[in-house]
Amino acid sequence: QQQVKQSPQSLIVQKGGISIINCAYENTAFDYFPWYQQFPGKGPALLIAIRPDVSEKKEGRFTISFNKSAKQFSLHIMDSQPGDSATYFCAASHGQAGTALIFGKGTTLSVSS
Amino acid sequence: KAGVTQTPRYLIKTRGQQVTLSCSPISGHRSVSWYQQTPGQGLQFLFEYFSETQRNKGNFPGRFSGRQFSNSRSEMNVSTLELGDSALYLCASSFSLNTEAFFGQGTRLTVV
Repeated sequence: QQQVKQSPQSLIVQKGGISIINCAYENTAFDYFPWYQQFPGKGPALLIAIRPDVSEKKEGRFTISFNKSAKQFSLHIMDSQPGDSATYFCAASHGQAGTALIFGKGTTLSVSS
Repeated sequence: KAGVTQTPRYLIKTRGQQVTLSCSPISGHRSVSWYQQTPGQGLQFLFEYFSETQRNKGNFPGRFSGRQFSNSRSEMNVSTLELGDSALYLCASSFSLNTEAFFGQGTRLTVV
């Protein structure tokens, strides 16, 4: 019940295309869903996050879509660029667990030019 | 505003030894969480400290421990190191509990 399942494991997208990464969860107590971007040798960097009271949040080229009934959320990267090539992690947490994040296994994105 | 600072960046230790890692959170942040990242298990939550008290703990053996000081800086300790403890150890800083978490660059621990 504590798992967050992320897919696909790897993704190759042409420059200018849309990258889509999906996550699913079981624990209905989760109330915070962030996405992180990690480059080799670096720590994860917070990209964008959403709470269940909204179905979509957009920040620049990054959009989170959230489907509470299906217990799924996804990250869309519009106009993907080679500089977006990184590993992306979805995560979830609930207020009673403080800031403890349960992470998906990650998606390695390669954007080809 | 300075980010999360973790020291040292790299460590090589021998099996059976112990190790202490340090984390300085973003100024004004009072919550520090620790994570272990390995290729096989991914990112796993170790524990969280807020106001010098451990608030939450992940599913790790008692060899993994931590503490937080009055200035919010935190340390984690791993005793009796095992080869499987080789990992990137990440510290995350948050203003309070259940708020945005910002990660440091991590400490790469290699146990030989």
